[in-house]
Amino acid sequence: DIQMTQSPSSLSASVGDTVTITCQASQDISNYLSWYQQKPGKAPKLLISDASNLETGVPSRFSGSGSGTDFTFTISSLQPEDVAAYYCQQYDNLPYTFGQGTKLEIK
Amino acid sequence: EVHLVESGGGLVTPGGSLRLSCAASGFIFSSYTMSWVRQAPGKGLEWVSSISDTSRYIYYEDSVKGRFTISRDNAKTSLYLQMNSLRAEDTAVYYCAKLSVAGTGGAFDVWGQGTMVTVSS
Repeated sequence: DIQMTQSPSSLSASVGDTVTITCQASQDISNYLSWYQQKPGKAPKLLISDASNLETGVPSRFSGSGSGTDFTFTISSLQPEDVAAYYCQQYDNLPYTFGQGTKLEIK
Repeated sequence: EVHLVESGGGLVTPGGSLRLSCAASGFIFSSYTMSWVRQAPGKGLEWVSSISDTSRYIYYEDSVKGRFTISRDNAKTSLYLQMNSLRAEDTAVYYCAKLSVAGTGGAFDVWGQGTMVTVSS
């Protein structure tokens, strides 16, 4: 199975800050990586697919980059509504695997 | 608008069975791979099972193989998960999720609201 190592596990930042989350795959997954946002008590929401493709309707302050084994998710100009858990996920090989998640809070 | 609505969750004793359903609308259900993803209380996301558009290809996470059965009815635009021999560690919110493709190389682009399954005596 492909292991996805996501860091940090939690993060506290101020409104307007730039926030970065990293995800490392245990083997090359090309660009078959997605990022999800999960607000408390809600279902996950797809933000980015194919490592850097922003889904329709997702604010442009969210972005993703990387390929192979190392990936980065960035929120520029953090907003209060961005409080959530964020997960990376690989879909290069079954079983699909997720990172452990990053809990983002506002200072 | 695209919708996935799960039902069938509840409290069941260890060793018991439960059948989850997911009603889909707003997209061509028969053209996409569908999946179940679960989340134990306070934990992260875990893929459980996927079924291809025509039901030809079915995949399971190792811990549920032989106990869970995924199926779909394209005429009824519905996805199912039959769960047998349930264990305490199966306790989780179960999400129905649509893959962005008919095969396996896509992200989960639509999610239901989830249904809670609790396995406890």
